[in-house]
Amino acid sequence: NAGVTQTPKFQVLKTGQSMTLQCAQDMNHEYMSWYRQDPGMGLRLIHYSVGAGITDQGEVPNGYNVSRSTTEDFPLRLLSAAPSQTSVYFCASSYQGAQGYTFGSGTRLTVV
Amino acid sequence: AQTVTQSQPEMSVQEAETVTLSCTYDTSESDYYLFWYKQPPSRQMILVIRQEAYKQQNATENRFSVNFQKAAKSFSLKISDSQLGDAAMYFCASEPSYNTDKLIFGTGTRLQVFP
Repeated sequence: NAGVTQTPKFQVLKTGQSMTLQCAQDMNHEYMSWYRQDPGMGLRLIHYSVGAGITDQGEVPNGYNVSRSTTEDFPLRLLSAAPSQTSVYFCASSYQGAQGYTFGSGTRLTVV
Repeated sequence: AQTVTQSQPEMSVQEAETVTLSCTYDTSESDYYLFWYKQPPSRQMILVIRQEAYKQQNATENRFSVNFQKAAKSFSLKISDSQLGDAAMYFCASEPSYNTDKLIFGTGTRLQVFP
């Protein structure tokens, strides 16, 4: 089992560029989420999904877009990168949430 | 809305000693889940322990145990016989049982372990 796979692990973008962070899980989990981690602020929820075709906004959704066309994949799109989006991004999945989430290894994104 | 507060940005402990990390939370729900996650320098988030709010018994996983005080909305993590490999960031998190798609984190406590 690969678990939760995030790509890329590192990325540098210029302001205004767009990109997609990939997330895939092979555990048949219904729930998937995206978090960003900033120093001193813990992990903040960006978007989440409870199943294919269903997504919703978390605490900090502005500037990000998601879709969930399959159970396995939950990509995060940055529409027009800004320096404030410099962060470490984590994807996580869970069967139904109550047992805890499995996290990917994260993507360190720098916007210059 | 749920909030989770970790008031200790940093803690330190000597190898083989015991340390307790504090966490308080605020929720209007009667049923919810609480978690402690460990993040070592590798950046990987690892689930350490989980507590169901409707269970009065404190959860235990080997050297890790919690002190769950529901009335006080407190959920502290005790690490016994600390090891060098326990050095990491520790995050407390909660989610309501009716809405387990929203896991809310505290700001974390950095634990240093000295030999």
